[in-house]
Amino acid sequence: DARVTQTPRHKVTEMGQEVTMRCQPILGHNTVFWYRQTMMQGLELLAYFRNRAPLDDSGMPKDRFSAEMPDATLATLKIQPSEPRDSAVYFCASGWNMGNTIYFGEGSWLTVV
Amino acid sequence: GENVEQHPSTLSVQEGDSAVIKCTYSDSASNYFPWYKQELGKGPQLIIDIRSNVGEKKDQRIAVTLNKTAKHFSLHITETQPEDSAVYFCAASQGSKLTFGTGTRLQVTL
Repeated sequence: DARVTQTPRHKVTEMGQEVTMRCQPILGHNTVFWYRQTMMQGLELLAYFRNRAPLDDSGMPKDRFSAEMPDATLATLKIQPSEPRDSAVYFCASGWNMGNTIYFGEGSWLTVV
Repeated sequence: GENVEQHPSTLSVQEGDSAVIKCTYSDSASNYFPWYKQELGKGPQLIIDIRSNVGEKKDQRIAVTLNKTAKHFSLHITETQPEDSAVYFCAASQGSKLTFGTGTRLQVTL
């Protein structure tokens, strides 16, 4: 049963600490997306990659967020330094090319205190 | 860019009744329209999708209709059951990233 795997599932951290979230896309998928979900903003697209190349990260606060794909099986989203307003659920999703179905992971629930 | 509006934001129906969720989109070039269901504590899960070359698609109790002229599409759930209670998102795409609606919280009461 192919699925997108995200770690950690839950993270509580203190303000100012670095947070790294990891995602393993479905094998064979070449597009990877990072979304953030909050009650106020809904599902926000932070960044996405195609064939490991970043296509758009305009949804990300550049000063503290960074997204990378070190290889085809791993995508990372890093926040440094973290702030309480970053508390949200972060979803990774993967798909094949653009404009097609994307499949979500179970999310990383982040709380910054 | 694409803008997707979704209504209603909350919907309560009795078990066995039908539920309809509507979305409109702004970019006439959009050609792919998926619907996702998100249960509490989980990620959104695709339940049905439609492409612009068809007007309607059904899968058991769920169906989606698309009106390209009016730029709107709808999700229909018949014979609702308690396990249909969740948040539903529509989305639209024209070969690039998906743009999501703001979600509809569906509550099916006994």
